[in-house]
Amino acid sequence: AQSVSQHNHHVILSEAASLELGCNYSYGGTVNLFWYVQYPGQHLQLLLKYFSGDPLVKGIKGFEAEFIKSKFSFNLRKPSVQWSDTAEYFCAVMSSSASKIIFGSGTRLSIRP
Amino acid sequence: GAGVSQSPSNKVTEKGKDVELRCDPISGHTALYWYRQSLGQGLEFLIYFQGNSAPDKSGLPSDRFSAERTGGSVSTLTIQRTQQEDSAVYLCASSLGGREGETQYFGPGTRLLVL
Repeated sequence: AQSVSQHNHHVILSEAASLELGCNYSYGGTVNLFWYVQYPGQHLQLLLKYFSGDPLVKGIKGFEAEFIKSKFSFNLRKPSVQWSDTAEYFCAVMSSSASKIIFGSGTRLSIRP
Repeated sequence: GAGVSQSPSNKVTEKGKDVELRCDPISGHTALYWYRQSLGQGLEFLIYFQGNSAPDKSGLPSDRFSAERTGGSVSTLTIQRTQQEDSAVYLCASSLGGREGETQYFGPGTRLLVL
């Protein structure tokens, strides 16, 4: 069965620090990968996704993620975080043969101003 | 345009009662999903509707949970004989056609508290 692991439950950073949130998935076939973000009091929204092609994906607000197939990973990065990046971040995977998304347990990011 | 809407936004009920949660997907979206987000946990897939196809119910946790989608648009998730462990935020999402790699758009959720 597919699963998604986010190893960091809560990350605390200062403004301007660099960010990397880990995401690993288990599935042997072709996958689509997503990062969703939920800002306090707001809906879940898509940050970026990998479908095919260039494994380095750029999303909104300066975020990017790299799909490394050999490591079954899709880590999220941002070179310099801002206070407004305080949110919960969810990694998700969808196999190419299914339409339901399997989500990780989420990583809460807190930014100290 | 209008996003996915859900009602009620909050629901408090007593253990043993039935509840109905409603989802209005984005107009024109044929795929609709229900998820559950429990405290401190990720999102758990519940059920998926795509057009007129039979729904994928593989995520429903028990036979107390059911969902329907009338006319290919609005969906209702029903929980019968609610239990305290049903307390969670229930999220609905829709996408254009349920195709590979397609973005799902989420509603604000219904926060359910079972006393």
